[in-house]
Amino acid sequence: GAGVSQTPSNKVTEKGKYVELRCDPISGHTALYWYRQSLGQGPEFLIYFQGTGAADDSGLPNDRFFAVRPEGSVSTLKIQRTERGDSAVYLCASSPGTNTEAFFGQGTRLTVV
Amino acid sequence: GENVEQHPSTLSVQEGDSAVIKCTYSDSASNYFPWYKQELGKRPQLIIDIRSNVGEKKDQRIAVTLNKTAKHFSLHITETQPEDSAVYFCAGSSNTGNQFYFGTGTSLTVIP
Repeated sequence: GAGVSQTPSNKVTEKGKYVELRCDPISGHTALYWYRQSLGQGPEFLIYFQGTGAADDSGLPNDRFFAVRPEGSVSTLKIQRTERGDSAVYLCASSPGTNTEAFFGQGTRLTVV
Repeated sequence: GENVEQHPSTLSVQEGDSAVIKCTYSDSASNYFPWYKQELGKRPQLIIDIRSNVGEKKDQRIAVTLNKTAKHFSLHITETQPEDSAVYFCAGSSNTGNQFYFGTGTSLTVIP
């Protein structure tokens, strides 16, 4: 595809449920980032992948959050036992390397009710 | 880690006037500073960026200046147009280049 694709675009889930959010980066981009954006705030870093490995997961808020990128392309962000405070737009971005333009997807709006 | 602060949080200008948004950062090792524009309900998109070995960069009506000593950088939009209305985010990269730290955003409104 031409850009970063995220699915689903919207997800409503009940408190306590498990959700998976998918990110298809731009082909050939080795760097992949997950960010979380709450209303009126800037994107908040969650995790960074370089290839298949999570090079920096310091932004994950707690152990309910986990992300994988098994083949160095598609990534999945997994949230267990969702809480209402997890409601936000989850943004994925990819980049051909570090310290260069990151291209963002449209985001997944997660609502926990 | 890096701390990026952004001012003002809201800015209204008349069409044709200039707009300036300022950011400061804390980590002197940061070396890459992108600016993103985000329209309502859409993805952030890069409008300009600057690296620490350059003091100023310009692209048509948009310019960014960087003062490494003072650890601040600014976005300048000249001859503003209504389509410039959006939220603008500054960011700084960590010294490892693993992540961007974003400011809290500036909501710019250009009044026709």
